[in-house]
Amino acid sequence: NSKVIQTPRYLVKGQGQKAKMRCIPEKGHPVVFWYQQNKNNEFKFLINFQNQEVLQQIDMTEKRFSAECPSNSPCSLEIQSSEAGDSALYLCASSPPTGNTEVFFGKGTRLTVV
Amino acid sequence: AQSVTQPDARVTVSEGASLQLRCKYSSSVTPYLFWYVQYPRQGLQLLLKYYSGDPVVQGVNGFEAEFSKSNSSFHLRKASVHWSDSAVYFCAVSINNNRIFFGDGTQLVVKP
Repeated sequence: NSKVIQTPRYLVKGQGQKAKMRCIPEKGHPVVFWYQQNKNNEFKFLINFQNQEVLQQIDMTEKRFSAECPSNSPCSLEIQSSEAGDSALYLCASSPPTGNTEVFFGKGTRLTVV
Repeated sequence: AQSVTQPDARVTVSEGASLQLRCKYSSSVTPYLFWYVQYPRQGLQLLLKYYSGDPVVQGVNGFEAEFSKSNSSFHLRKASVHWSDSAVYFCAVSINNNRIFFGDGTQLVVKP
């Protein structure tokens, strides 16, 4: 059973508002991923970290999203100015160091932008 | 680049019947392969994974999958489904854990 903890489970924001969600990875997992799952079940990779360093991120994440994984604090994903199209389930996942591909997902934060 | 195709958007079976959910992948090298299940309002739960070795891998709750390099496939099977297996199933691939690429999912409906 996954021990990745995501908060809040549900988030409702108006257009233009900031939306912030948090993720506590499994203990001992230095690699953290964020994915966006839309209403059609399609997954979009957003960003991943190893410890506090960004490994990869997509263009959208660079522009409107900010994410960090500070040491001794939850990881976070923040949308600076929410848009209706950002309504989705945001999934955080963590895994042991690169090379071991056990990836565990949290239950997600469901963001609704009204 | 890697990609995953799940050709069946929805599969309906009767309780107690056998099940096969299809998955085809595309990758320049043999990837790591996964099947995840997503229940309503839940995250993803890992059913099983394949790295190497025996092409038939066993997972939780009686699920198994068979890797075929020649067919670039990783189909999921279960001998006898239960109503509680109703969920969305995702096939996924990864190279060295850098990113996971998901299929579009197959909605499994188990009729009583």
